[in-house]
Amino acid sequence: DIQMTQSPSSLSASVGDRVTITCRASQSIRSYVNWYQQKPGKVPKLLIYIASTLQTGVPSRFTGSGSGTDFTLTISSLQPEDFATYYCQQSYSTPRTFGQGTKVEIK
Amino acid sequence: QVQLQESGPGLVKPSETLALTCTVSGGSIDAYYWSWIRQPPGKGLEWVGYVYHSGITNYNPSLQSRLTISVDTSKNQFSLKLSSVTAADTAFYYCARQTYGANGGAFDIWGQGTMVTVSS
Repeated sequence: DIQMTQSPSSLSASVGDRVTITCRASQSIRSYVNWYQQKPGKVPKLLIYIASTLQTGVPSRFTGSGSGTDFTLTISSLQPEDFATYYCQQSYSTPRTFGQGTKVEIK
Repeated sequence: QVQLQESGPGLVKPSETLALTCTVSGGSIDAYYWSWIRQPPGKGLEWVGYVYHSGITNYNPSLQSRLTISVDTSKNQFSLKLSSVTAADTAFYYCARQTYGANGGAFDIWGQGTMVTVSS
């Protein structure tokens, strides 16, 4: 199985901050990484697919980058509605696997 | 727009079989992969497995011996059966549409999720 390791596991940030979350795969997954946002009690929402393609309707302050084993999700200017847990997920091979999540909290 | 809705019992006894159905509305079940994903309360996401509209399946090896996922295209539904459940199978269960090809295999549409508790 491909292991997806996110860092940090949690972070505190203020509205307007630039936030970066990292995801590392245990082997090369080319660009087959996807990012999700999950708010408490809510369903995960797809933000970015194939490493850097923004899902329709997702604000442009979210960007994704990387290839091979190292990937990042960046929120350019954190908004109040962005406080949530973020997951990366690889779709290079089965079993599909997720990172453990990064919780973004209000500072 | 395509919507997914899970249905099934919220409480299952240990050693019994957990059975859930996902109904796809607003679009056809054809031409996509359909996955089950679960999340124990307060924990992360685990992919359970998928079924293609043709009936081809792929399971998480950690669950494979207990798992059956099937599709009923006439009803626009797909289903999950997990046998010999234990408390470790207590989780929110989500059904999700999985893209393919140029869209990279992401889970782009999710059901609202259903909580299944394994307890006597």
